[in-house]
Amino acid sequence: IQLTQSPSSLSASVGDRVTITCRASQGIYSSLAWYQQKPGKAPRLLIYDASTLQSGVPSRFSGSGSGTDFTLTIGSLQPEDFATYYCQQLNSYPLPFGPGTKLHIK
Amino acid sequence: QITLTESGPTLVKPAQTLTLTCTFSGFSLITDEVGVGWIRQSPGKALEWLALIYWHDEKRYTPSLQSRLTIVKDTSKNQVVLTMANMDPMDTGTYYCAHRPGGFSPFDYWGQGTLVTVSS
Repeated sequence: IQLTQSPSSLSASVGDRVTITCRASQGIYSSLAWYQQKPGKAPRLLIYDASTLQSGVPSRFSGSGSGTDFTLTIGSLQPEDFATYYCQQLNSYPLPFGPGTKLHIK
Repeated sequence: QITLTESGPTLVKPAQTLTLTCTFSGFSLITDEVGVGWIRQSPGKALEWLALIYWHDEKRYTPSLQSRLTIVKDTSKNQVVLTMANMDPMDTGTYYCAHRPGGFSPFDYWGQGTLVTVSS
């Protein structure tokens, strides 16, 4: 199973609503997670099972989708949200990550 | 509280074997369904899942590197060890270990990562 993400990079302003898409090459039910990574830091789990918010993650983050098409939405961008976002499929081995979406400040 | 810490050499020569240790606390690898995985990231590149070991000693590897990887656990020391043979400069990057609760769950806790450089 291969994952693609779009866009690969995105410029946005504080307060904007942004959506990132992840597409799987075959159906993976809802077995998808989203991670946030800041430079020099380990990834942080945001969402699992496509739409379940990890404990401690702000509610402005949300996920949706099933099968092959998934989205991560950030409702109102905050300064700390500028980072790179990765999806990962967890339905079957191997467990690839997507290529990432880098979110820049406009 | 779950924590994971990676350790190992910062510099290895081409063709050598890399040995990395993940030392964890806050959970046990004898608990049903729990696993520990390794993920790496080359400089400026995306995350790449490498290997995973479960409480019952099931092991999984990424196909492209399977012939070079070995993952083992030492439950008495709360450690997971990854070895990668025949290192190449392309293997330079940050190596992370992470906790997987089981089933179809994601990696919910990560170590801080350890940077490995492959150079002669």
